[in-house]
Amino acid sequence: EMQLVESGGGLVQPGGSLRLSCAASEVDFNRYNMNWVRQAPGKGLEWLSFISGTSSTIYYADSVKGRFTISRDNARNSLFLQMNSLRAEDTAVYYCARVNYGHYGMDVWGQGTTVTVSS
Amino acid sequence: NLILTQPHSVSGSPGKTVTISCTGSSGSIASNFVQWYQQRPGSAPTTVIYEDSQRPSGVPDRFSGSMDSSSNSASLTISGLKTEDEADYYCQSYDSRSVVFGGGTRLTVL
Repeated sequence: EMQLVESGGGLVQPGGSLRLSCAASEVDFNRYNMNWVRQAPGKGLEWLSFISGTSSTIYYADSVKGRFTISRDNARNSLFLQMNSLRAEDTAVYYCARVNYGHYGMDVWGQGTTVTVSS
Repeated sequence: NLILTQPHSVSGSPGKTVTISCTGSSGSIASNFVQWYQQRPGSAPTTVIYEDSQRPSGVPDRFSGSMDSSSNSASLTISGLKTEDEADYYCQSYDSRSVVFGGGTRLTVL
């Protein structure tokens, strides 16, 4: 089964930028659509962005539209999330997840990477 | 925009049955698939029900999902409760180019 490993989290100042990566273990990564989901401390899951296997379809949540950019490199079995203009409320654990069920349902999740936005 | 509402918490004793509801704010929740995720403290979510009522391989048949059009809701039922079922549970669906999660339900096994 595919495994997903996120990286790139850390401490960043408000207004700063960070790029998250998600490495997939399988070579057929390009067959799958992918989501980014985050979870603020003590809060529930929040969907952020979706990208299709060919990158032809991309969606964003209103909370990150215009600040975050999702992309993928199928040759490197990798998914990315470029995060700009970061705010304190972006502090969360960020998960990448494989879409494999109807209506964007996810079957494989990474372990998450923590982003802390603070001065 | 669709909002999925779940109870904040439910509880049950070992061996009993609990049901967690997920009610849609608009439209028909039955027109889109609903997934259910389990998240234990400190861990990533895992899928326990997909496409309304399907169980992934490895999920025990104590977990079941259903839809009720009359109440515009989905439900996750866990029978034969075990202490290991204690976790947060989230429903998830889709609406207008957005993935939507419910607020989550904390299941306590007393």
